[in-house]
Amino acid sequence: GIQVEQSPPDLILQEGANSTLRCNFSDSVNNLQWFHQNPWGQLINLFYIPSGTKQNGRLSATTVATERYSLLYISSSQTTDSGVYFCAVGGVIKAAGNKLTFGGGTRVLVKP
Amino acid sequence: NAGVTQTPKFQVLKTGQSMTLQCAQDMNHEYMSWYRQDPGMGLRLIHYSVGAGITDQGEVPNGYNVSRSTTEDFPLRLLSAAPSQTSVYFCASSYSGRVRTEAFFGQGTRLTVV
Repeated sequence: GIQVEQSPPDLILQEGANSTLRCNFSDSVNNLQWFHQNPWGQLINLFYIPSGTKQNGRLSATTVATERYSLLYISSSQTTDSGVYFCAVGGVIKAAGNKLTFGGGTRVLVKP
Repeated sequence: NAGVTQTPKFQVLKTGQSMTLQCAQDMNHEYMSWYRQDPGMGLRLIHYSVGAGITDQGEVPNGYNVSRSTTEDFPLRLLSAAPSQTSVYFCASSYSGRVRTEAFFGQGTRLTVV
């Protein structure tokens, strides 16, 4: 199956700093999503981005499908950005896009 | 606008007990799935369904049963709970096939087996 690797595993930021999280995957994908798991355990959809670039407020994401990686940018970080960020991908064969493989996550702590 | 609803939110079971985790979605999604998340790890797929009456195994299916009698509901059954099944369980739904397959997750069920 598809392998998903996220880096770095841990990130400590000062409030206001910018950061980049990376997701590498081992095969072609039909689905790529970024999630934020907040300290209460809830999974929040950030981006559905199998290719291209999207922005939502202080967050943006880019997926370069041909090179099999995606980047999540956090600008002007806030303490509420703390939590774990997951990248999840789904393959290209029929209905495989729905079967998500998760990376191990990047744990982000934003200090005031 | 409920999305994906899971019940219960918390559960403690004794080894050998059985229980059913409930999952319901109101988005008319064909595809539903169950994942488990162990401490410090990402989610792993347990079982999934591409529509009513159709289910299949994911990466870690042992010890779990599922059925899908309606589009809206996809319960997960633990027949004889074991301590290794202590985990947080997430249900997800999405449109099926090659159209937009963005998954939406429920709030999770935290299960402890003692």
